[in-house]
Amino acid sequence: DQQVKQNSPSLSVQEGRISILNCDYTNSMFDYFLWYKKYPAEGPTFLISISSIKDKNEDGRFTVFLNKSAKHLSLHIVPSQPGDSAVYFCAASTQTGANNLFFGTGTRLTVIP
Amino acid sequence: DTAVSQTPKYLVTQMGNDKSIKCEQNLGHDTMYWYKQDSKKFLKIMFSYNNKELIINETVPNRFSPKSPDKAHLNLHINSLELGDSAVYFCASSQTGTGGSSPLHFGNGTRLTVT
Repeated sequence: DQQVKQNSPSLSVQEGRISILNCDYTNSMFDYFLWYKKYPAEGPTFLISISSIKDKNEDGRFTVFLNKSAKHLSLHIVPSQPGDSAVYFCAASTQTGANNLFFGTGTRLTVIP
Repeated sequence: DTAVSQTPKYLVTQMGNDKSIKCEQNLGHDTMYWYKQDSKKFLKIMFSYNNKELIINETVPNRFSPKSPDKAHLNLHINSLELGDSAVYFCASSQTGTGGSSPLHFGNGTRLTVT
């Protein structure tokens, strides 16, 4: 039962443009959301997070938006750079189950120079 | 300095064998984890462990067992390996859970291939 879904397995964007990665979840109890970035042959690395009390969190070129009513979040990267090319995983947890992160299957972003 | 390190990076073995994957973290975190990424790229938690509590995902076969000699280490032992155990296994750590200011730090993974 996949509680966190990333329906786009891949995305290609021109350098300098905006990249938008999407994520949907089904469990309304989730109240903490994270994005991880993964390069080949490496483990996922934390990128940015948002709690359910907010609808936006920004960190440099990265912004995460949360729409609780739609159970949807998105990661915006602007401007996109070739070094951003990686697999991006969305993850979610509940406060009571904070040790249990549910991951999406990832979206492979390719930024074309 | 690698924050979360796991060995070996690759492990090829035959069905029925017993193998171990080692994991060490030097971040001073109090909770460690094992995640499995299968062929469909699903990344699922297998265990979380701190010095007080082992939480096991109920879908994990009891052939898999975590062993923690100390707070900085969480090794994964697998008995009677099966073809379906082939996957990439990631070790991770965090400070008192994964929410708030302490996201997971992952190792680089161990690709296990069972033939």
